[in-house]
Amino acid sequence: AQSVTQPDIHITVSEGASLELRCNYSYGATPYLFWYVQSPGQGLQLLLKYFSGDTLVQGIKGFEAEFKRSQSSFNLRKPSVHWSDAAEYFCAVGGTTGTASKLTFGTGTRLQVTL
Amino acid sequence: EAEVAQSPRYKITEKSQAVAFWCDPISGHATLYWYRQILGQGPELLVQFQDESVVDDSQLPKDRFSAERLKGVDSTLKIQPAELGDSAMYLCASSFPGDGTYEQYFGPGTRLTVT
Repeated sequence: AQSVTQPDIHITVSEGASLELRCNYSYGATPYLFWYVQSPGQGLQLLLKYFSGDTLVQGIKGFEAEFKRSQSSFNLRKPSVHWSDAAEYFCAVGGTTGTASKLTFGTGTRLQVTL
Repeated sequence: EAEVAQSPRYKITEKSQAVAFWCDPISGHATLYWYRQILGQGPELLVQFQDESVVDDSQLPKDRFSAERLKGVDSTLKIQPAELGDSAMYLCASSFPGDGTYEQYFGPGTRLTVT
């Protein structure tokens, strides 16, 4: 069975500081990996995704993530955080069921940004 | 830009009452998902449709929950009777299986409060 672990429930960073959110996954084959962001009371917005190829993936809003197969990790990074980045971040692993994907989400990391 | 529509955005109901949520996926998206997100947790898949057929409903509490997608377009999720533990955000997502990205597009969600 596929699973995702986000070990940090809550992270606080200062505006302008760098950010790294951790994600570890369990999946029996090559995974499809995603990072989503959720603002309070809103749905989920896709930040970036990894399927194959280059292990460093660029996303929207200046985010990037690196797939490390040996560590079963897909950590999200941003060099300089903005106050508007405060939100909940979810890592997800996908597996195909026929022609559609089934996503399993982690429990999320809440990011607080101090000014 | 096309979006997944959900209604209502907020719903307050008393326990033992019936409640229904509606979702209209992005046009052309054959796969539709309903997720439940309990506060402080990641979304959990309840049911997945491929066109009008159920692909996966293994996590759907079938004694009280039902879902349908009669014409393979919009969908309704029903709870009858509602219980206090059903208070959560209900998210709908859709995807286009043929584009090879397995990306799911999420709606804004319905926040359910059972009193």
